[in-house]
Amino acid sequence: QAVVTQEPSLTVSPGGTVTLSCGSSTGPVTSSHYPFWFQQKPGQAPRTLIYDTGDKHSWTPARFSGSLLGGKAALTLSGALPEDEADYYCLLFYSGGVVIGGGTKLTVL
Amino acid sequence: EVKLVESGGGLVQPGGSLRLSCVVSGFSFSSYWMYWVRQAPGKGLVWVSRIYDDGSRTDYADSVKGRFTISRDNAKNTLYLQMNSLRVEDTAVYYCARFHSGGYWGQGTLVTVSS
Repeated sequence: QAVVTQEPSLTVSPGGTVTLSCGSSTGPVTSSHYPFWFQQKPGQAPRTLIYDTGDKHSWTPARFSGSLLGGKAALTLSGALPEDEADYYCLLFYSGGVVIGGGTKLTVL
Repeated sequence: EVKLVESGGGLVQPGGSLRLSCVVSGFSFSSYWMYWVRQAPGKGLVWVSRIYDDGSRTDYADSVKGRFTISRDNAKNTLYLQMNSLRVEDTAVYYCARFHSGGYWGQGTLVTVSS
């Protein structure tokens, strides 16, 4: 089964910009992996921010965007707010199922 | 409004069984593949299983293959996860989810495997 890798932790200053990455052990991440990005805060269920690489839900703040960058899926946060401090997970689709990355703990400090 | 509501969690002894349910509303359940994802206390999200829209195919993570069975009743808008031979390491919050055409999650149900 494939392994999906994310940065274990990242820190961003309020108002700053940060990019989270999501890589695959099988090779470059492409749109055919339909990358998803989820946000999870303590004690809450995950919430989908980005699906199919770059599509947003109605509840996704405009400061979040998804893309493919350097063979990985990427989640960019521009203009970080304290409320963006959370765990972020990516998900990739494969032929036999899906694999979720280990998550990135984002600190806004 | 899309809603997914899990139930059926609880405390069970090692080797025991439990069946989780997920009732959905707000979309055409029979048109979508459905998923179970779990999260052990203090750990990350892990995919468990998925089922095609018509139930014709199922896939499982290696850690639960042969012990868990996913199924669905499209007439009842309900997804199931039958969990047998439960182990301590199966302790987790179990979420049902729909990922296609946007990602939607339930609130989760806690399964605790302990003697």
